[in-house]
Amino acid sequence: DTGVSQDPRHKITKRGQNVTFRCDPISEHNRLYWYRQTLGQGPEFLTYFQNEAQLEKSRLLSDRFSAERPKGSFSTLEIQRTEQGDSAMYLCASSKSDRAGELFFGEGSRLTVL
Amino acid sequence: QKEVEQNSGPLSVPEGAIASLNCTYSDRGSQSFFWYRQYSGKSPELIMFIYSNGDKEDGRFTAQLNKASQYVSLLIRDSQPSDSATYLCAVPGFQKLVFGTGTRLLVSP
Repeated sequence: DTGVSQDPRHKITKRGQNVTFRCDPISEHNRLYWYRQTLGQGPEFLTYFQNEAQLEKSRLLSDRFSAERPKGSFSTLEIQRTEQGDSAMYLCASSKSDRAGELFFGEGSRLTVL
Repeated sequence: QKEVEQNSGPLSVPEGAIASLNCTYSDRGSQSFFWYRQYSGKSPELIMFIYSNGDKEDGRFTAQLNKASQYVSLLIRDSQPSDSATYLCAVPGFQKLVFGTGTRLLVSP
């Protein structure tokens, strides 16, 4: 297993369009997280899955954002009707349940909304 | 008050010096603390974690925890230019890891 993989690495879209990001976690990890990071800031929590169940979602996440993790494997993060303020790096991370603070991050998906 | 606070820097040190990176946290109940390193344009990677008061050493890195003062630090001995990066302090919150804004470290040759 080569680690957490994310796709696409870069996405440029026009305001109002929908975008979807995919994350494939490390296979033996049952926890999966989505974070967002903008320049000069630390990663900001978006949502978290334990297996296929979405257990936590940030209050900062508007209803334009939705995430899924069917069958507890890969996850998708969809942003509908994108806005310029959505421009950021979207980071996926995974961990084992008993090592919840030890996150393994993917390379990220950079979103630019024009 | 933010859950995790760090000075954004940059912290500039000469090669071979000790770099000291600091972090304060607001939740007195926090039991574990994590340091991540993030190179420019890359994603964060875990370098150290500490659960108990006192020091934990791993190679050139030492994590120090003072729960009474709600203070955790990371010391990098014999700093190298390759240590130049942003160092993120993180504390477990409810169902998630909460990150500080990070301190940018610059090690000059």
